[in-house]
Amino acid sequence: AQSVTQPDARVTVSEGASLQLRCKYSYSATPYLFWYVQYPRQGLQLLLKYYSGDPVVQGVNGFEAEFSKSNSSFHLRKASVHWSDSAVYFCAVSIQGRGGSNYKLTFGKGTLLTVTP
Amino acid sequence: GPKVLQIPSHQIIDMGQMVTLNCDPVSNHLYFYWYKQILGQQMEFLVNFYNGKVMEKSKLFKDQFSVERPDGSYFTLKIQPTALEDSAVYFCASSLDRVEQYFGPGTRLTVL
Repeated sequence: AQSVTQPDARVTVSEGASLQLRCKYSYSATPYLFWYVQYPRQGLQLLLKYYSGDPVVQGVNGFEAEFSKSNSSFHLRKASVHWSDSAVYFCAVSIQGRGGSNYKLTFGKGTLLTVTP
Repeated sequence: GPKVLQIPSHQIIDMGQMVTLNCDPVSNHLYFYWYKQILGQQMEFLVNFYNGKVMEKSKLFKDQFSVERPDGSYFTLKIQPTALEDSAVYFCASSLDRVEQYFGPGTRLTVL
């Protein structure tokens, strides 16, 4: 069965520092790949997505992610974090479900990012 | 961006009671989903729904669960009867292209 692994449950960085949040997936084909952010008491917000093509995709608020087929990874990066980036970040993959006309998201366990002053 | 609304934001009920969670999806979306997130754990797929039918459900989607979207109104998740292990945050999502899903803020269900 497919799975998504986010090896870091918690990451703490200083404001202005660079960031990388790791994500690896296990699936025989290349799925659609997503990063979502969840702020306290809010729903998930889509940061960026990868369907095909250029392995580096740009998202909102200066985030980008790089797809690596050889490593089955989709790591999230930001050059300079801000205190408002503190949140939980989820990596997710989308694969076609049974029935042929639907897709479901499989999520990692999330990484809690804390940005310190 | 597109907004998905969920009503209520928090529901507290006694075990064995029925509960209905309501989702107001993005107006032109065709595909609808429910996910369950137990506190501190990852979000897990429950069910998806298209053209008035359940397309796929996970093992978490127990017989006590049902979904419907009567006449294009709210997309609902009903649990009857509820159990203690149903306590979680339930997220609704909708999609136009089946792939990119937009999520609501969740309904926190507490079963006592």
